[in-house]
Amino acid sequence: KAGVTQTPRYLIKTRGQQVTLSCSPISGHRSVSWYQQTPGQGLQFLFEYFSETQRNKGNFPGRFSGRQFSNSRSEMNVSTLELGDSALYLCASSLSAGGAGPDTQYFGPGTRLTVL
Amino acid sequence: TQLLEQSPQFLSIQEGENLTVYCNSSSVFSSLQWYRQEPGEGPVLLVTVVTGGEVKKLKRLTFQFGDARKDSSLHITAAQPGDTGLYLCAGADSWGKLQFGAGTQVVVTP
Repeated sequence: KAGVTQTPRYLIKTRGQQVTLSCSPISGHRSVSWYQQTPGQGLQFLFEYFSETQRNKGNFPGRFSGRQFSNSRSEMNVSTLELGDSALYLCASSLSAGGAGPDTQYFGPGTRLTVL
Repeated sequence: TQLLEQSPQFLSIQEGENLTVYCNSSSVFSSLQWYRQEPGEGPVLLVTVVTGGEVKKLKRLTFQFGDARKDSSLHITAAQPGDTGLYLCAGADSWGKLQFGAGTQVVVTP
């Protein structure tokens, strides 16, 4: 079974531009979560989508948005880019079948975004 | 501000030595997970601990969840170069939302 894929792997943008990142979850997985990883802050939770609806949201400004399609693929958009948005953006998918116990998240390799 | 504090931030040891990484919080978690991340890759789940006081062993790795479910440790026996990576702990709240620590970078030299 193929793992989580993210495109593009690397991206360079300038301040003020906007960017869209894509994530394809493992087949059958219904939940997709997005994280921002920086050396100083570690992994910060952005949001989670389940069945095309945002189920959880982290503490990021409204410039960060996302969506999920009917095939569970997800996109994340950042508008009006700032230098501080430079980071590794990770996507994780999970089965989210419900029931007791934590859900296992499977991470993609990430998209390295550099804002100049 | 990190809810989960990991220590040390960086650890460099020789092959064959033992090491322990700590993950501490003032919050109670319903479960705690440990991940390892290698350069150019996303984190990979190593273990999930759920019960306070729980100890899990995976070959040379031993994971412990504190009695109060606020802290955890990862102990590696006889480290190998293949153990090199960024070790991340993540606590899950009752809704399954994960809070990650900043990570401990482990380097094992031959």
